[in-house]
Amino acid sequence: GQNIDQPTEMTATEGAIVQINCTYQTSGFNGLFWYQQHAGEAPTFLSYNVLDGLEEKGRFSSFLSRSKGYSYLLLKELQMKDSASYLCAVIDSNYQLIWGAGTKLIIKP
Amino acid sequence: GAVVSQHPSRVICKSGTSVKIECRSLDFQATTMFWYRQFPKQSLMLMATSNEGSKATYEQGVEKDKFLINHASLTLSTLTVTSAHPEDSSFYICSARDADPRGSSYEQYFGPGTRLTVT
Repeated sequence: GQNIDQPTEMTATEGAIVQINCTYQTSGFNGLFWYQQHAGEAPTFLSYNVLDGLEEKGRFSSFLSRSKGYSYLLLKELQMKDSASYLCAVIDSNYQLIWGAGTKLIIKP
Repeated sequence: GAVVSQHPSRVICKSGTSVKIECRSLDFQATTMFWYRQFPKQSLMLMATSNEGSKATYEQGVEKDKFLINHASLTLSTLTVTSAHPEDSSFYICSARDADPRGSSYEQYFGPGTRLTVT
């Protein structure tokens, strides 16, 4: 079966750095997305990785290792507004998007 | 950037009535639209995949006669919840994928969601 694992919840301090991991086992791979979702709102796009390595975009970076079936989202200089759920999603060989359950990130002052 | 609108944003209806939710891609053409449902504190659950001009593909456990999907044009898909019951109360979100094969890397653009409450 297809499976995406990410921690259910994480807590971090304002101004700090946090890394949210995602491991996947899917039938094929055509890319991996990270989305941010605030409570009561729809997801918003953060990043897309299809090749190995690190993609940096401002305070957020996303890393991919296809051989390990692993990705992480790195958030720097955390702000209170970063409190949200972070969803990892993989495009499989049929170009279907497989969603992880999401990681709820709690930022404390 | 690509924008997807959803209407209404909130709706309250009585048990037994039907509710229609519209999803529109405003500045791009979407051959494929997706309908998700999300219960409180849970992840997105894909209900169905809607392709323009053809029947929707429903996920296992989703009743196609209860959740009617119509994707009549490249910019509009509708979800009708028929004979709604309180257990159908949820956050319904649509997303659209750009028809341009050169763009988006299969990114899905999400609508803002519709909060349905059935009393």
